[in-house]
Amino acid sequence: DAKTTQPTSMDCAEGRAANLPCNHSTISGNEYVYWYRQIHSQGPQYIIHGLKNNETNEMASLIITEDRKSSTLILPHATLRDTAVYYCIVRAAFSDYKLSFGAGTTVTVRA
Amino acid sequence: DVKVTQSSRYLVKRTGEKVFLECVQDMDHENMFWYRQDPGLGLRLIYFSYDVKMKEKGDIPEGYSVSREKKERFSLILESASTNQTSMYLCASSSGGINSNQPQHFGDGTRLSIL
Repeated sequence: DAKTTQPTSMDCAEGRAANLPCNHSTISGNEYVYWYRQIHSQGPQYIIHGLKNNETNEMASLIITEDRKSSTLILPHATLRDTAVYYCIVRAAFSDYKLSFGAGTTVTVRA
Repeated sequence: DVKVTQSSRYLVKRTGEKVFLECVQDMDHENMFWYRQDPGLGLRLIYFSYDVKMKEKGDIPEGYSVSREKKERFSLILESASTNQTSMYLCASSSGGINSNQPQHFGDGTRLSIL
């Protein structure tokens, strides 16, 4: 019951912006979009989340389309340490406490 | 910054042993979770707790128990370890009600091998 679709992999150059797309065409009105990443052999790291407005924090920006059917995570200046699997998930507040990751996008940052 | 600390990064135990995995969070979060992560199976919820001494079963509680005597600490117990419990175990915590939109924050995980 995959709720999101992400590319399997992508490369980006160190120092450049990395734009990670995610499709969630069946998203409901009360579902938030969350992004996590997991560096090899470590626990998942929370990055950012949003409902419908664009969000920015010290790690990344989240751009959500007006119809909320897709979003983009932007890492503004990718570094080698950003190499990881990135997971986009949708989760309904007030009804859904379990997290479930799909296959995610394997992002490789190259020098 | 949120800090979720798991007691061991790597652990090797024998079948039949009672195994304790400890998790501590320093952000006064109400909710704590134990997941296991396996290749091809993704993340699966074992147990969670929304308050001290409160616990709820997740999707795969069989063979496990939990304890939450203090707000900051959530322990996972493998009553009698078996080889099919070899896995990466992840603890997470979050604030607000159990169904709030606040994100769950994870520890670095414990890679447990049962021989």
